[in-house]
Amino acid sequence: KNEVEQSPQNLTAQEGEFITINCSYSVGISALHWLQQHPGGGIVSLFMLSSGKKKHGRLIATINIQEKHSSLHITASHPRDSAVYICAVRIRGNQFYFGTGTSLTVIP
Amino acid sequence: ETGVTQSPTHLIKTRGQQVTLRCSSQSGHNTVSWYQQALGQGPQFIFQYYREEENGRGNFPPRFSGLQFPNYSSELNVNALELDDSALYLCASSWGGAGETQYFGPGTRLLVL
Repeated sequence: KNEVEQSPQNLTAQEGEFITINCSYSVGISALHWLQQHPGGGIVSLFMLSSGKKKHGRLIATINIQEKHSSLHITASHPRDSAVYICAVRIRGNQFYFGTGTSLTVIP
Repeated sequence: ETGVTQSPTHLIKTRGQQVTLRCSSQSGHNTVSWYQQALGQGPQFIFQYYREEENGRGNFPPRFSGLQFPNYSSELNVNALELDDSALYLCASSWGGAGETQYFGPGTRLLVL
């Protein structure tokens, strides 16, 4: 069983749609990260959360520590948002666990 | 442009050989983390170095070792390569430990034959 589970695994959306990607974890964490990975491997860190909500442009990330759940939302999705979105949690000892990612395709 | 660079970009080795991968962290960052990402999987944490000391380790055997230099660049060494070591190896730098936002390099793709 993975310590970090993401859903859905794959997601196809029409341009302009509102998108939600979910992440659930089973361990106590000190922080949760949302990452974006483009084809070819390049990873960009989108958010680091330990509580509440953060917003950056069209991206919003929320976390509920009690429920061990986080969501990444994309408003007004665009084809350039197509990528794999990965949830990662940091636990004590500076160890990280990663989800397997959600592959998002936004169709024009 | 994140400023984190890795070398080489691609590498082919045979089983039993040893490999050294290199990472130059973003200017001003003193923490480097290394990850292994197998095809179709999420990254897995190998270890982290903070100010030249190991600062956390994932579930990888001792044949995976690392170094961080005074300029905060880092090396990942893998001895006695196995076929399952074939993966994308990513490094990420940050300031002040893993709690901060990490900036990822482009990765080194290793193939073990």
